[in-house]
Amino acid sequence: AQKITQTQPGMFVQEKEAVTLDCTYDTSDQSYGLFWYKQPSSGEMIFLIYQGSYDEQNATEGRYSLNFQKARKSANLVISASQLGDSAMYFCAMREGNTGNTPLVFGKGTRLSVIA
Amino acid sequence: GAVVSQHPSRVICKSGTSVKIECRSLDFQATTMFWYRQFPKQSLMLMATSNEGSKATYEQGVEKDKFLINHASLTLSTLTVTSAHPEDSSFYICSARGGTGSVGTNEKLFFGSGTQLSVL
Repeated sequence: AQKITQTQPGMFVQEKEAVTLDCTYDTSDQSYGLFWYKQPSSGEMIFLIYQGSYDEQNATEGRYSLNFQKARKSANLVISASQLGDSAMYFCAMREGNTGNTPLVFGKGTRLSVIA
Repeated sequence: GAVVSQHPSRVICKSGTSVKIECRSLDFQATTMFWYRQFPKQSLMLMATSNEGSKATYEQGVEKDKFLINHASLTLSTLTVTSAHPEDSSFYICSARGGTGSVGTNEKLFFGSGTQLSVL
């Protein structure tokens, strides 16, 4: 079974509008971390935001916020006031356990295109 | 923030040759490094976990004799693609973590900029 599911292969958003990128996850661990990364065409992976499983409040980082719904096992990324430079692939990822040595497991990604 | 340097960024080689990719943590000690592979328009797939001073742990289906990983120091891990073939052409990207913090801490992985390998 897929650990991370991103159901939106591609999304379009008008510049200055907000957009939500969906992510659901599957784990039986109590301790886990959820991450969102941005990958522009250059290939680098840019960390955006992190949510720990025990965090009670939704994470926010500037224009990025994570809508964490633990019971539904969803961790949607919300980008407010979209900019043309936001056009990229976005990956949701999870790390299970609390040893710190487990790798990130990535979803298939969502390609976001911001339209002027 | 922490920086992971990966090079080369792009390499073209002939079939049958070996290619070495380096991943360095520049301002922190990386006890664990992860190597991922990404095909065009696909997600990142974990190849192996590399721990300093010990043998790498490979994911199922990844040939350890083909993808040699060496993590000889706390700041350097290398991936060598041996006897490369066209099907090995892909984007390879490393990531590193430092310390032994738990998942409960805000501990993100730091990624290199990736290596695009093309085997002719």
